[in-house]
Amino acid sequence: NAGVMQNPRHLVRRRGQEARLRCSPMKGHSHVYWYRQLPEEGLKFMVYLQKENIIDESGMPKERFSAEFPKEGPSILRIQQVVRGDSAAYFCASSPQELNTGELFFGEGSRLTVL
Amino acid sequence: SQQGEEDPQALSIQEGENATMNCSYKTSINNLQWYRQNSGRGLVHLILIRSNEREKHSGRLRVTLDTSKKSSSLLITASRAADTASYFCATDWDSSYKLIFGSGTRLLVRP
Repeated sequence: NAGVMQNPRHLVRRRGQEARLRCSPMKGHSHVYWYRQLPEEGLKFMVYLQKENIIDESGMPKERFSAEFPKEGPSILRIQQVVRGDSAAYFCASSPQELNTGELFFGEGSRLTVL
Repeated sequence: SQQGEEDPQALSIQEGENATMNCSYKTSINNLQWYRQNSGRGLVHLILIRSNEREKHSGRLRVTLDTSKKSSSLLITASRAADTASYFCATDWDSSYKLIFGSGTRLLVRP
């Protein structure tokens, strides 16, 4: 049973380029969450999606960041015109249902470095 | 602002000793969860405790929850070097679908 799969694991971009991070949730999971983690810090909620719907994007910067979870294929977190402050680890997590009953299953993260 | 704050930020103990980490939060919750993160890896769920529970055990882990004080503790007994990791508490205070994480406790278990 494959867990949450994230790719790429490491991504290097120059300022102004675009970064695309992909996340395939666990089989049977229809809820996807994206979190950002800076070094030595906790995880900061960015966005919560269900298939084809953004439920809560309150933690995502209004500019340059977007997320989607299409009917087919992985969830994508897209960062346009990256800046050095975007350097962080981005974690995707999934759950089979709303969280009042259970846990999140995390991927290994995508580490973005902006030069 | 952070919902969960762990204390201490860092903890160094000898193998075999017990490790206690605390988490405080600000508003009412449905449940509180503890996660572990090894360096450079994703988070792994350890234990979930509901707001109507006071204590829960899982192997060498013991979690308590005091809703009157809005705090929780994670106790790892008979620690091992392999327990070296960061430990985070997470609460669903904002909604039933969103987990908010604390800043974590970095645990070092010396062999």
